[in-house]
Amino acid sequence: GIQVEQSPPDLILQEGANSTLRCNFSDSVNNLQWFHQNPWGQLINLFYIPSGTKQNGRLSATTVATERYSLLYISSSQTTDSGVYFCAERDDKIIFGKGTRLHILP
Amino acid sequence: ETGVTQSPTHLIKTRGQQVTLRCSSQSGHNTVSWYQQALGQGPQFIFQYYREEENGRGNFPPRFSGLQFPNYSSELNVNALELDDSALYLCASSSPPGLAEYFGPGTRLTVL
Repeated sequence: GIQVEQSPPDLILQEGANSTLRCNFSDSVNNLQWFHQNPWGQLINLFYIPSGTKQNGRLSATTVATERYSLLYISSSQTTDSGVYFCAERDDKIIFGKGTRLHILP
Repeated sequence: ETGVTQSPTHLIKTRGQQVTLRCSSQSGHNTVSWYQQALGQGPQFIFQYYREEENGRGNFPPRFSGLQFPNYSSELNVNALELDDSALYLCASSSPPGLAEYFGPGTRLTVL
């Protein structure tokens, strides 16, 4: 099955900084999603982005399916952005990466 | 629009017992998926139900079983609990299968 790698595994930033999270896939992607898991465990659907670019406020995502990667951009980070960010792809089942743990310092 | 809900929020069981977890899908969604998330790991796909039939299964033993009801709510049953079953169990709904999934708040199961 498809392999999903996320980088970096951990990221500590000061409030107001920008960040880029990356997701690499071992095979082509068709149903890629980005999620944010808050410190209480709730997984929030950020983007469904099989290809192209989408933006939602301070967050945007780009998927280049032919090159098997996706990027999540967070601008002007806030402490509420802290948590774990996952990308996931549906092959015959949904495969999650191991996540990027983001900690925003006040 | 009602989101995905799960019950109970927390549960403590002992090894060898059986447990049933419940999930109500988001309004209008006919597909429910269940995931197990161990501490510090990404969620692992257990199985998916679409219109009351199992529609895909991950690498979990048969003691993990499920049901989906006509109103598209779902149950996850785990028999003969083991210590390694301690995890956050997440339910997600979508419509149809393969499109964006929306997650519930999870049930945290502790097996002693």
